[in-house]
Amino acid sequence: DVKVTQSSRYLVKRTGEKVFLECVQDMDHENMFWYRQDPGLGLRLIYFSYDVKMKEKGDIPEGYSVSREKKERFSLILESASTNQTSMYLCASRTGGYQIGQYFGPGTRLTVT
Amino acid sequence: KNQVEQSPQSLIILEGKNCTLQCNYTVSPFSNLRWYKQDTGRGPVSLTIMTFSENTKSNGRYTATLDADTKQSSLHITASQLSDSASYICVVTSGTYKYIFGTGTRLKVLA
Repeated sequence: DVKVTQSSRYLVKRTGEKVFLECVQDMDHENMFWYRQDPGLGLRLIYFSYDVKMKEKGDIPEGYSVSREKKERFSLILESASTNQTSMYLCASRTGGYQIGQYFGPGTRLTVT
Repeated sequence: KNQVEQSPQSLIILEGKNCTLQCNYTVSPFSNLRWYKQDTGRGPVSLTIMTFSENTKSNGRYTATLDADTKQSSLHITASQLSDSASYICVVTSGTYKYIFGTGTRLKVLA
């Protein structure tokens, strides 16, 4: 079974802090994604990576950056957390074939106070 | 503008009853359509995937249909169980990397 893990289930940070969210997958998938999920808005793509050290902006990249130094790990960085970044963050991975679909991690609920 | 709309927003049914969730989309180009189940506080889990040429796909008590002409899909749940309580998300893939997510239907099954 594919396993996608995220470093924290719940996280509370203060405004202005630098926040790291980590995602690890164990199936040698090429592609990895970061989404945020807010009530009434559905999942919105922040960044994705189609290979190591490669990244592409999604629909809402402002205030975020990412890092993919190893194939299995994709990190989301909030350089200076703000209250409007309070959300559920979901990581997903997949093989290069999009027909297979994405496998999601359990999510990290981030609260910025 | 690419959009996926789901209805109803929420639904309450009694255990053992059937229900149908709707998904309408305006997405181009269309690659495939997938239904996910998301338990509260968890990541989505795939239930079914359908390509343009498929119009029905089943996974146990879940049956998805796709009408590519009208750009509508439905997810039918038979003999509902308490464990079916979750959000159900319709996702349309456009091209290789673009996923357009609906906002989901929240289903509550009561004993």
